[in-house]
Amino acid sequence: KNEVEQSPQNLTAQEGEFITINCSYSVGISALHWLQQHPGGGIVSLFMLSSGKKKHGRLIATINIQEKHSSLHITASHPRDSAVYICAVLRGTGNQFYFGTGTSLTVIP
Amino acid sequence: KAGVTQTPRYLIKTRGQQVTLSCSPISGHRSVSWYQQTPGQGLQFLFEYFSETQRNKGNFPGRFSGRQFSNSRSEMNVSTLELGDSALYLCASSYIDRTYEQYFGPGTRLTVT
Repeated sequence: KNEVEQSPQNLTAQEGEFITINCSYSVGISALHWLQQHPGGGIVSLFMLSSGKKKHGRLIATINIQEKHSSLHITASHPRDSAVYICAVLRGTGNQFYFGTGTSLTVIP
Repeated sequence: KAGVTQTPRYLIKTRGQQVTLSCSPISGHRSVSWYQQTPGQGLQFLFEYFSETQRNKGNFPGRFSGRQFSNSRSEMNVSTLELGDSALYLCASSYIDRTYEQYFGPGTRLTVT
């Protein structure tokens, strides 16, 4: 059983659409990261959350600690948002770091 | 501020050989973590170093090892390479630990033949 589950696995959207990617986890955590990986491998950290909500430009990330769930929203999606989005959780005890399998997003012009 | 750098960027090795990869963190960052990414297993945590000490370790065999120097630069070593070790190896640095934002390097793509 994966400690971190992401949905959907693949997502295709039209430019301008509102996008939501979900992450559920089964362990107690001290932090949750949302990462973006473009073709070619480079990974960029989008958000680090331990509670509440964060916003950066068109990206919004929320976390519900009680429900063990986080969402990444992209408003007014753009083709340059096409990438793999990965959720990663830092376990509260033992400091193990678990990754979701990623959501591959394609935004069509 | 310069980003995280990793060398080499690409490497081809033969099964049974060993390899050393290098990671230079962002200046002032003391935590360096290493990750392996493969198409089959996705991203997996290898280990984390802080102040020259291994602080956390993932579920990898002892062939995978690392170290951190006093300037926070880190190396990882894989001995007796296997075909399954072919992967993208990423390092990430953060200020103190992974409750802080992590900054990733471009990765080293290792191919074992």
